[in-house]
Amino acid sequence: QKEVEQNSGPLSVPEGAIASLNCTYSDRGSQSFFWYRQYSGKSPELIMFIYSNGDKEDGRFTAQLNKASQYVSLLIRDSQPSDSATYLCAVRYGNKLVFGAGTILRVKS
Amino acid sequence: GAGVSQSPRYKVAKRGQDVALRCDPISGHVSLFWYQQALGQGPEFLTYFQNEAQLDKSGLPSDRFFAERPEGSVSTLKIQRTQQEDSAVYLCASSLGGPQHFGDGTRLSIL
Repeated sequence: QKEVEQNSGPLSVPEGAIASLNCTYSDRGSQSFFWYRQYSGKSPELIMFIYSNGDKEDGRFTAQLNKASQYVSLLIRDSQPSDSATYLCAVRYGNKLVFGAGTILRVKS
Repeated sequence: GAGVSQSPRYKVAKRGQDVALRCDPISGHVSLFWYQQALGQGPEFLTYFQNEAQLDKSGLPSDRFFAERPEGSVSTLKIQRTQQEDSAVYLCASSLGGPQHFGDGTRLSIL
């Protein structure tokens, strides 16, 4: 059973702070990892993807992968109220994605 | 179109009725996926097509669920004899082999 675990939250941070979202996965052989943002009633929107150990940065977003510890993180710098959403972590197994249940992020202005 | 298009956006059906949900992927995307998302949960994989071939249907919850993509473009997910537990958002995604891009989904409510 391939599992992806996330803390459901909500995670509350003040505007301008760094939001840190975490995800653990069960299959040590996993190769590809994705973060999606989902606003209420909307589709999941791809934020970041990462394939190799280390950090990947894109604007205010940084994805971190640690394969030895089997976790993936998403950091959001200078958090804005518009970042308030559910963040879904996904791991690719073969051709399909296995998702965590998502972490609700609330950025307070 | 620019993104994955799904229709209808909302569907209400009585228990026992058949429903059909449509997905129009991003032009040129050979891979197409269907997911089911229950309230407060992440999407769960249903089935996967590469062009017109259905290569994985391991996530379909029962034989009441059927998906097709006859010409390798538009796909239809059909649910026969709907049950209340089928109420969910059905998401379609497409890709060129890399990250998957999702449509806005069809919210299905079974009364």
